[in-house]
Amino acid sequence: KQEVTQIPAALSVPEGENLVLNCSFTDSAIYNLQWFRQDPGKGLTSLLLIQSSQREQTSGRLNASLDKSSGRSTLYIAASQPGDSATYLCAVDSGNTPLVFGKGTRLSVIA
Amino acid sequence: EAGVVQSPRYKIIEKKQPVAFWCNPISGHNTLYWYRQNLGQGPELLIRYENEEAVDDSQLPKDRFSAERLKGVDSTLKIQPAELGDSAVYLCASSYTGVNTEAFFGQGTRLTVV
Repeated sequence: KQEVTQIPAALSVPEGENLVLNCSFTDSAIYNLQWFRQDPGKGLTSLLLIQSSQREQTSGRLNASLDKSSGRSTLYIAASQPGDSATYLCAVDSGNTPLVFGKGTRLSVIA
Repeated sequence: EAGVVQSPRYKIIEKKQPVAFWCNPISGHNTLYWYRQNLGQGPELLIRYENEEAVDDSQLPKDRFSAERLKGVDSTLKIQPAELGDSAVYLCASSYTGVNTEAFFGQGTRLTVV
């Protein structure tokens, strides 16, 4: 059974810092991994999708990497801003099974 | 392009009462999902549809939960009767069918059972 773990559970950084969020999964037989952002009381916004054959994806200040063999992904946020404050969730797609989510990392960027 | 639309956004009901949630997926998306998210947890799948067929409902508590997707577009999720433990955010998502397709989520319905 696929399990997804996100570390740390919460993170607080001053504005302007670069930061890394971590996601690990137990079964490396995946099709892709998605990173989502969730603002309080809101739904999930898709940030990046990395296919199993890819090593990384970039969108603006966000860069996600994938090391499938070791069961790890990282989300790098450059030059953090207060507007980046949210919960970040990673989810793994293993094919004919539902997306398996981690519990998320709650990020606070302090102005 | 409109995103996934859910209604209502919030619902407060007394235990043992029925409740229904509605979802309109992104146009052209054949796959529709209902997830439940408890506080401080990631979403967990309740049911997945491919067009009008429920292809994965193994996590749906069928004694009190039901869902339908008539005509393969809109979907409703119903709970009858609701229990205190059903308090959660119910999220609908949709995607194109196939591998490596991105899932898009609605704003969710926050259910409080008192």
